[in-house]
Amino acid sequence: DIQMTQSPSSVSASVGDRVTITCRASQGVGNWLAWYQQKPRKAPKLLIYAASSLQSGVPSRFSGSGSGTEFTLTISSLQPEDFATYYCQQADIYPYTFGQGTKLEIK
Amino acid sequence: QVQLVESGGGMVQPGGSLRLLCAASGFAFNSYGIHWVRQAPGKGLEWVAFIRHDGGDEYYAESVKGRFKISRDNSRNTVHLQMDPLRLEDTAMYFCAKDHETHEPKGDFFSSWGQGTLVTVSS
Repeated sequence: DIQMTQSPSSVSASVGDRVTITCRASQGVGNWLAWYQQKPRKAPKLLIYAASSLQSGVPSRFSGSGSGTEFTLTISSLQPEDFATYYCQQADIYPYTFGQGTKLEIK
Repeated sequence: QVQLVESGGGMVQPGGSLRLLCAASGFAFNSYGIHWVRQAPGKGLEWVAFIRHDGGDEYYAESVKGRFKISRDNSRNTVHLQMDPLRLEDTAMYFCAKDHETHEPKGDFFSSWGQGTLVTVSS
């Protein structure tokens, strides 16, 4: 199975900060990489697909980059509603796998 | 608008069975693959199973292979997940999710999700 490793596991930041989360795959997945946001007791929400494509309706402060084994999610200016847990996911080879999650907390 | 509604969860003893339902509306159901993804209490996300848009192919996580069966009825816009026998470690919230693109033979990203249905396996 492809292992997806996110860093950091948690991060504290303030409204207006720029935050970057990294996701590394144990083998190359091309650009078959997505990012999801999950708030407590809610279903995940797709933010970024194909490594860098912004899902419809998602604010432009979210962006993704990378290919192969290393990917990043950047939030350019944190808003109060962005405090949540973020997951990366590879959709290259079954079984599709997720990173362990990065919890973004208010400083 | 796209809507996915899961049901059928509940509490069951180890070795028991459950059949989850995912009812879809608001999109061309027969053009999209559907996945099941689960989340154990306080844990991360785990992909469980996928069925192709036409029902012609299925994939399973190793942890459920041989015990779970995914199926779909394109005339009723529904997907089922038959789970038997259940184990303690199957306790989780189960979400169904639709593919991002149409007619993807192996599925792709999870563009819309239901609210989930809780499965608790306990003696």
